[in-house]
Amino acid sequence: DVVMTQSPLSLPVTLGQPASISCRSSQGLVHSDGNTYLNWFQQRPGQSPRRLLYKVANRDSGVPDRFSGSGSGTDFTLKISRVEAADVGVYYCMQGTRWPYTFGQGTKLEIK
Amino acid sequence: EVQLVESGGVLVQPGGSLRLSCAASGFAFSNYRMHWVRQAPGRGLVGVSLINIDGTPAFYADSVKGRFTVSRDNAKNTLYLQMTSLGAEDTAVYYCARDFAGSIDSWGQGTLVTDSS
Repeated sequence: DVVMTQSPLSLPVTLGQPASISCRSSQGLVHSDGNTYLNWFQQRPGQSPRRLLYKVANRDSGVPDRFSGSGSGTDFTLKISRVEAADVGVYYCMQGTRWPYTFGQGTKLEIK
Repeated sequence: EVQLVESGGVLVQPGGSLRLSCAASGFAFSNYRMHWVRQAPGRGLVGVSLINIDGTPAFYADSVKGRFTVSRDNAKNTLYLQMTSLGAEDTAVYYCARDFAGSIDSWGQGTLVTDSS
């Protein structure tokens, strides 16, 4: 199985400051169809996960443009340009290129 | 609007069995593969199973193989997870989720399965 490794696991951020989460895969995530199926999810406290980004950098409907995704191959990054209180929660990367889909351990974002 | 509503979670005796259900609405259920994903208390997300649109299982996590069975009733727009030989390690919130193009694009609210021990 593809192992997804996130860092940091804990991310204290001051309101209005940027935040960045890294996700590395144990194998390259380029599919034979040419797409890279790397996704990011947000899980607010007490809620279900919600997808933020798919295929590395495509934002879901309703996701603020403060959230952006980048990367290729085995290294990917989620960036929040200016952290707001509503961003508190745990962020997960997930690869959907190879069976089975696998998740990172999660990064807990909190406000300093 | 896509809706996924899980039910069936409860306190279970060690070694017991349970069936979870997920009622889907707002989309053509029969056209989508469906996942079960679980989250133990304070832990991360782990894929449990995936079922194809024709009802054949596509994946089981090693930790549940031989104990859990995924199925679906496309006429009833419902996904199921039959769980047997339950143990403390199965305590978790179980989410059903919709698969689309190398991703999971919708999640239910989850149902809690707790080991009574």
